[in-house]
Amino acid sequence: QSALTQPASVSGFPGQSITISCTGTSSDVGGYDYVSWYQQHPGKAPKLMIYDVSDRPSGVSPRFSASKSGNTASLTISGLQAEDEADYYCSSYTSSTTLTFGGGTKLTVL
Amino acid sequence: EVQLVQSGAEVRKPGESLKISCRTSGYTFSNHWIGWVRQMPGKGLEWMGIVYPDDSDTRYSPSFQGQVTISADKSINIAYLQWGSLKASDSAMYYCVRHRSGLRLIDYWGQGTLVTVSS
Repeated sequence: QSALTQPASVSGFPGQSITISCTGTSSDVGGYDYVSWYQQHPGKAPKLMIYDVSDRPSGVSPRFSASKSGNTASLTISGLQAEDEADYYCSSYTSSTTLTFGGGTKLTVL
Repeated sequence: EVQLVQSGAEVRKPGESLKISCRTSGYTFSNHWIGWVRQMPGKGLEWMGIVYPDDSDTRYSPSFQGQVTISADKSINIAYLQWGSLKASDSAMYYCVRHRSGLRLIDYWGQGTLVTVSS
């Protein structure tokens, strides 16, 4: 069982927006503004999409945005495109000075 | 350009030992935590642990403490993950990862090393 809870799957049509949630506790998500999101296409290594709750690394599309409220972080992808179909993982720094991941969410673009 | 290049796929029998490596370039190796993430077939990402190359300080996830050893050689900019006695359940893809801003996030990933443990 993963420390952070994500929905197993989400889906949307091209052009639509979707949101993926990531729920933890006050010892991880709620306690620090150190939530990251990663995108993983099949057979590939994950890629950093969001860090420090809502910051985008250089080169990541502004269609990707994120936020946090209490113990739950959220990733929103607007203007869905076929290339967005992938697995998405959240991660958070923890009070044990470790990192923990969510179980992952499979995004299907219909 | 930051690069993490991992050693190739490995096939071992249960009970055997194994050490896989991650050769880094493009940044100051000693100044960033570097670690490993496991992904079992069809499953999610699991953070295993990290090492700070400058002083070899290590941190492990409770799930992996005592099961693996993470180390680094700052003279040649390489990180390692090793097992003393492999189990079939160790079969997985292992990613080398670089942390940024202390332990707060992973900003670079290696290409992965597939480990297969089978009799």
